[in-house]
Amino acid sequence: GQQLNQSPQSMFIQEGEDVSMNCTSSSIFNTWLWYKQDPGEGPVLLIALYKAGELTSNGRLTAQFGITRKDSFLNISASIPSDVGIYFCAGRTTSGTYKYIFGTGTRLKVLA
Amino acid sequence: DAMVIQNPRYQVTQFGKPVTLSCSQTLNHNVMYWYQQKSSQAPKLLFHYYDKDFNNEADTPDNFQSRRPNTSFCFLDIRSPGLGDAAMYLCATSRGRDNSRVSGNIQYFGAGTRLSVL
Repeated sequence: GQQLNQSPQSMFIQEGEDVSMNCTSSSIFNTWLWYKQDPGEGPVLLIALYKAGELTSNGRLTAQFGITRKDSFLNISASIPSDVGIYFCAGRTTSGTYKYIFGTGTRLKVLA
Repeated sequence: DAMVIQNPRYQVTQFGKPVTLSCSQTLNHNVMYWYQQKSSQAPKLLFHYYDKDFNNEADTPDNFQSRRPNTSFCFLDIRSPGLGDAAMYLCATSRGRDNSRVSGNIQYFGAGTRLSVL
């Protein structure tokens, strides 16, 4: 199935550093969702974005809906060890479908 | 409290022995989804229901079937599991109506069922 381009694929960072990841698509989306998935668990929603240009925060997390509606960014400030996990973006197109297209995931490892 | 509940969390089956995974939701959402996820990969959509309307993905094997007897429950049936079907199976829901500033577009996941095939 179709997937979004998500980068970076993985990253190792030091505790306290800021983290950025992004997703890009060839399709226009009307919704972007960002999830975190821990090993053996289902994805947990972090942030939902509905409008081009929208910037939304959830604690240390900030995400933006790109102006072109084809990309989105997630930033994590002052990372902590529990931020470890896989982060997925997911987008829903404007075509009227109820399906979501997932990014390939960013695996984050935080070094204490 | 969990809103999308999957049972069991871990399921072991034998090669070729039919298995059913279950999902229930307390959100009264119109849409329910089944995904297959293999190690470190993105979830792969198998099919989804809008109410009782079933939508199969073109590349979902015939070995995978689904039932949705009512709004709250949805089942994934694997008729003859093969070794390649060992994976995490995720159920998700969404309201379905396109309310751009309401939670209509949010998709909520259950904790998943990890299936092992011996």
